[in-house]
Parts: sequence; structure tokens; C-alpha cells
Amino acid sequence: EAGVTQFPSHSVIEKGQTVTLRCDPISGHDNLYWYRRVMGKEIKFLLHFVKESKQDESGMPNNRFLAERTGGTYSTLKVQPAELEDSGVYFCASSHHTPTSANTGELFFGEGSRLTVL
Amino acid sequence: SQKIEQNSEALNIQEGKTATLTCNYTNYSPAYLQWYRQDPGRGPVFLLLIRENEKEKRKERLKVTFDTTLKQSLFHITASQPADSATYLCAHPSSNTGKLIFGQGTTLQVKP
Repeated sequence: EAGVTQFPSHSVIEKGQTVTLRCDPISGHDNLYWYRRVMGKEIKFLLHFVKESKQDESGMPNNRFLAERTGGTYSTLKVQPAELEDSGVYFCASSHHTPTSANTGELFFGEGSRLTVL
Repeated sequence: SQKIEQNSEALNIQEGKTATLTCNYTNYSPAYLQWYRQDPGRGPVFLLLIRENEKEKRKERLKVTFDTTLKQSLFHITASQPADSATYLCAHPSSNTGKLIFGQGTTLQVKP
């Protein structure tokens, strides 16, 4: 079974440019998450899709970030225009269940997309 | 706000010894905690989950404890090996959403 795949693995762009990150979750996983780790900080939640619907986007930093999951399969995360503080590693994860008090919701992570904004 | 704290200092131990990593949480009583392993340049990989009504959970050389009074989880690796060297992350679900709250992680270095 294929795992969560992310593309690109590394992107270097200049401030003001646009970058689009892609995530292909494990087949059959309705839950898809975007997380981000900036240098020296913990992994932080960005948003959560259930199928094609945004369940929770409370972690999105600002309106320069746009996530989509058309058709409930793969997802894209666009940063436009990119700023220096957007640099970090963007992780996508998928799960069969939502992690709540009632179930485990083990997350399967991709390898991450490292974004460097110069 | 919900917060998880892990010792940010690296833990260096000798091969064969037991490694013990600490995870403390505040302002919340999670129904469970998850532990993940992360290698450099890779995504986190799920290891173990322990529920609030479980004192201890084991998986091969791994053992996790959960003390709801102390608001703490301990993660043990017995008979440690250099291949166990990695960053270990503790996480719990947010109170009412599907997101996980992660600690900063503790880097373990096992020396031969």
C-alpha cells in the first residue's frame, strides 16, 4: 500500500513568489491534514479536511495560504505571495479516523515539503 | 491553551542502556497520548498510543506510561541500539477538533 506522498520535496523561491505544495493521501483516508514545522519549533497544525470539506482551518497563518482538496482525493496548499517567515517543512498526513477522545486517529505522515523563501 | 512540553535537550546514552523520555502536558486532560518517531528529513512515524485509563503500554522494546495525576507520560526504550537514534514526539488530540497538539520532540542519540 502506498503511503502519503508529497511534492515537491524541496522548493526554494524568492519572497513574493508563489508556491504550490501537493499531497496524495493514503487511498481511502477521508481525513487529510496539513502541518508545518518552522526551525526550532514544534510541528503545528494548519488545517484538516474530511473528504473535500474543510473541517478545521484554525491553524492557517493568514490569507496568503490557500488549501484545496477538490474531489476529496489529493490536496494542494498554495502560498501566495510567499514571505520569509513561511520557510519551514510542510507535512501532510492522512488518517482513517479523526483523532478524538473516542478513537485513536493514528496519523500517517508524508516525508514533508521543505520550503525555503529567500 | 493546550500545551505539551518535552525536554528539548538531546538525550545521549550508551548502547544497551534504557532511554527514558518525558512528556508533560498542561491545561488539558487528554483521553490519550500518541508517540511518534521522526528521523532527519523524514516525516513522523506513529509508534504507540496510550489511553488515560491505561497505566502502561508495551510494544517490543518500547514502553509508555501515562500518569494523569502528574500530567505526564514517560517513553522508555530498553536495550537501546544506535538505530534507535531519532527524535521522539509526543502528541495529544485537541479537546474538540481532529487536530493533534505536538511537543517539540526530544532527540535521542545512542552511542555504540
